[in-house]
Amino acid sequence: GAVVSQHPSRVICKSGTSVKIECRSLDFQATTMFWYRQFPKQSLMLMATSNEGSKATYEQGVEKDKFLINHASLTLSTLTVTSAHPEDSSFYICSAPRVGGYTFGSGTRLTVV
Amino acid sequence: GQQLNQSPQSMFIQEGEDVSMNCTSSSIFNTWLWYKQDPGEGPVLLIALYKAGELTSNGRLTAQFGITRKDSFLNISASIPSDVGIYFCAGLMGGGADGLTFGKGTHLIIQP
Repeated sequence: GAVVSQHPSRVICKSGTSVKIECRSLDFQATTMFWYRQFPKQSLMLMATSNEGSKATYEQGVEKDKFLINHASLTLSTLTVTSAHPEDSSFYICSAPRVGGYTFGSGTRLTVV
Repeated sequence: GQQLNQSPQSMFIQEGEDVSMNCTSSSIFNTWLWYKQDPGEGPVLLIALYKAGELTSNGRLTAQFGITRKDSFLNISASIPSDVGIYFCAGLMGGGADGLTFGKGTHLIIQP
């Protein structure tokens, strides 16, 4: 079945540094990738939508200069959290639409210290 | 962003019992999806519903797409320990170009 591989699964970084999260579609081409954020004991909230070859679209309240999204190929989308702060600590998950439903990556637990 | 109203928030049941949870919305959705999420993992799709009134089963799981397109329920029959986890409903208003809107989740806890 369709698999989205997300890396890293966990990352701890110092405040002020940047972190890159990758999502790869392993056996299909993902022209669109959705990025979600999930705080502890809460639901998934859509942050942005990346489209291969064009600019990402961001949900209201999500800073595009802080959460840089790149979708340079049909199999890779990246989310870079720039100048991370402790309040950015969260679980970030990517998802690609597929026939029959949306496939999710396994998530990245980001902890900013 | 918009969220779906999912209930109950948590359930404490005995192994073998049936489980029922539902989601409602003030907006119409074209697709309803039910996911299960284990701690530290991404959601895994359980059932997808595409038509109003559709009733679909996946093993011990049964889900229905409400006639009004504003609600859906998920039933789990004869619960087993591995059913423990958080269940999310998700709705899609448009096509594949739109992200999903998620419910707040139902935390299922099973007592042996």
